[in-house]
Amino acid sequence: DTAVSQTPKYLVTQMGNDKSIKCEQNLGHDTMYWYKQDSKKFLKIMFSYNNKELIINETVPNRFSPKSPDKAHLNLHINSLELGDSAVYFCASRSSGRNTGELFFGEGSRLTVL
Amino acid sequence: AQSVTQLGSHVSVSEGALVLLRCNYSSSVPPYLFWYVQYPNQGLQLLLKYTSAATLVKGINGFEAEFKKSETSFHLTKPSAHMSDAAEYFCAVSENAGKSTFGDGTTLTVKP
Repeated sequence: DTAVSQTPKYLVTQMGNDKSIKCEQNLGHDTMYWYKQDSKKFLKIMFSYNNKELIINETVPNRFSPKSPDKAHLNLHINSLELGDSAVYFCASRSSGRNTGELFFGEGSRLTVL
Repeated sequence: AQSVTQLGSHVSVSEGALVLLRCNYSSSVPPYLFWYVQYPNQGLQLLLKYTSAATLVKGINGFEAEFKKSETSFHLTKPSAHMSDAAEYFCAVSENAGKSTFGDGTTLTVKP
């Protein structure tokens, strides 16, 4: 069973469109994240939710809206897509109770904006 | 504020040679430190972590790292490189286990 799963794995769309990426984890973790990896492989945190509550929001344009319906799911909706949004988006999770900060990553969703 | 610097964006070694990937961190409190590996078209997976126990940490696939507080370093080593070690490696720091900050990554190439 995949621990952290993201859908879709690949997404190709036109500028100006709206798209969503979904993430689910079956590890029983209470904290989930979205990271963006650009073409140079740099990883930047975007958002973090703990038990459905937003706890980290890293100066991301408000075109990006995360939603956590429950602690096992964290979705990312992007409005009015721009060329610069092209990247690989990674979902990750961890257990706050263990207090070691180890992250478990999904396989990524590669977004290409044309 | 926490930060990570990985020295050398690209490292190339011959198969069987020593692998050394460098990581220096900045943290205002005793940190948690991690090395992650990313194979092509995959997500990151944990290689090893330092959480204030032993300063020499052993991980998967024969990798290990040593925490040196005086040097604020957490370099990753492997005595003998395999072709399968070719990947992107990320060092990360977490001060309060809530937010991990990643280095810019090091691409490891292994030559036959």
